[in-house]
Amino acid sequence: GAVVSQHPSWVICKSGTSVKIECRSLDFQATTMFWYRQFPKQSLMLMATSNEGSKATYEQGVEKDKFLINHASLTLSTLTVTSAHPEDSSFYICSARGGTTNTEAFFGQGTRLTVV
Amino acid sequence: RKEVEQDPGPFNVPEGATVAFNCTYSNSASQSFFWYRQDCRKEPKLLMSVYSSGNEDGRFTAQLNRASQYISLLIRDSKLSDSATYLCVVPRGGSQGNLIFGKGTKLSVKP
Repeated sequence: GAVVSQHPSWVICKSGTSVKIECRSLDFQATTMFWYRQFPKQSLMLMATSNEGSKATYEQGVEKDKFLINHASLTLSTLTVTSAHPEDSSFYICSARGGTTNTEAFFGQGTRLTVV
Repeated sequence: RKEVEQDPGPFNVPEGATVAFNCTYSNSASQSFFWYRQDCRKEPKLLMSVYSSGNEDGRFTAQLNRASQYISLLIRDSKLSDSATYLCVVPRGGSQGNLIFGKGTKLSVKP
């Protein structure tokens, strides 16, 4: 199946710093990429959806100035957590789909962010 | 009705048992549905897609009931390796087709 690579797989950062997470589709062109966040023992929560070359659409309650999303090419999307705080510590997962709305999405391996 | 709703479980079953999960959704216009499997601290992986009335793959059967707006996942002859959280996924609708995940149903298969 299609491969989506997410990097880094884990990161520890100091409170107040910014962290960038990359999501790459390795063998297909991802017209749409999704970013999710998952807290322990909770479900995946959609944060934002991005289409290549356009601004991301954020879910209600997600601060667009804090979670910067860039989808500059059909194979790369980045999520930058700015001025991270301990409450931002979570599992961040990207997914990508290359076709129509009826196609499944493929997931990156996830990034475990710990803010200390 | 919530966009996607699942029974969180946990379902504790012995090896060899048959177990079924249900999922209800609110968007009557949704055309495709997915079941994903997520192991602890891992990313979700696609288990099955459902586009029409149902789909079968080995021990796994997914069924769709559009009138009642629910999909189900049936696992026959449960294996220890089936222990995981099963996520029901429904496109929200619209041109972007955001995938919305249910909270997941946890399955634990015991020897």
